[in-house]
Amino acid sequence: KAGVTQTPRYLIKTRGQQVTLSCSPISGHRSVSWYQQTPGQGLQFLFEYFSETQRNKGNFPGRFSGRQFSNSRSEMNVSTLELGDSALYLCASNLGTGSGYTFGSGTRLTVV
Amino acid sequence: AQTVTQSQPEMSVQEAETVTLSCTYDTSENNYYLFWYKQPPSRQMILVIRQEAYKQQNATENRFSVNFQKAAKSFSLKISDSQLGDTAMYFCAFMKHASRDDKIIFGKGTRLHILP
Repeated sequence: KAGVTQTPRYLIKTRGQQVTLSCSPISGHRSVSWYQQTPGQGLQFLFEYFSETQRNKGNFPGRFSGRQFSNSRSEMNVSTLELGDSALYLCASNLGTGSGYTFGSGTRLTVV
Repeated sequence: AQTVTQSQPEMSVQEAETVTLSCTYDTSENNYYLFWYKQPPSRQMILVIRQEAYKQQNATENRFSVNFQKAAKSFSLKISDSQLGDTAMYFCAFMKHASRDDKIIFGKGTRLHILP
């Protein structure tokens, strides 16, 4: 059974650019969440999608957006990149409430 | 709002020893889930153990067990017979028991070193 797949693994972007990260959840998992991990702030919740609808959103500016497709694959987009957006972005999928999330290996984004 | 606190930023123990990682949390919810996740250098977050708040029995997974004290809002992780492969960041995490709120709140993590 394939795990959660995130692409790309590494990304270097310039300030002001935009970026799109992709996440393919475990087959059958309809809930996909995104987290930002930085040394200073730790793991912070970005948003959660369930059946193509955003169900929860964290406290991030509108530059951070996401979407989920009918096959449950999800993308997150960050526009007008800032240096502070450099982080590990983790995607996780969930079979059902309380079952615990299965995480991908993340995308390491570096903004220069 | 829920918060999760891990008071030990870093710990080191000898291989084969037992180590306990501390975690406290704050919530007004009565039903919720608690987790311990492990993040090795490979970056992948791995679910170690899961506890449902309405179950009094402490969860156990092989060498990993928890001490769940609901009244004290404490959720510590005990690793028995520690192995070199246990070296990782460990995150304590909280999630409400609500179908429309699957957001996980993580602690800042404890970096655990298992020494040969």
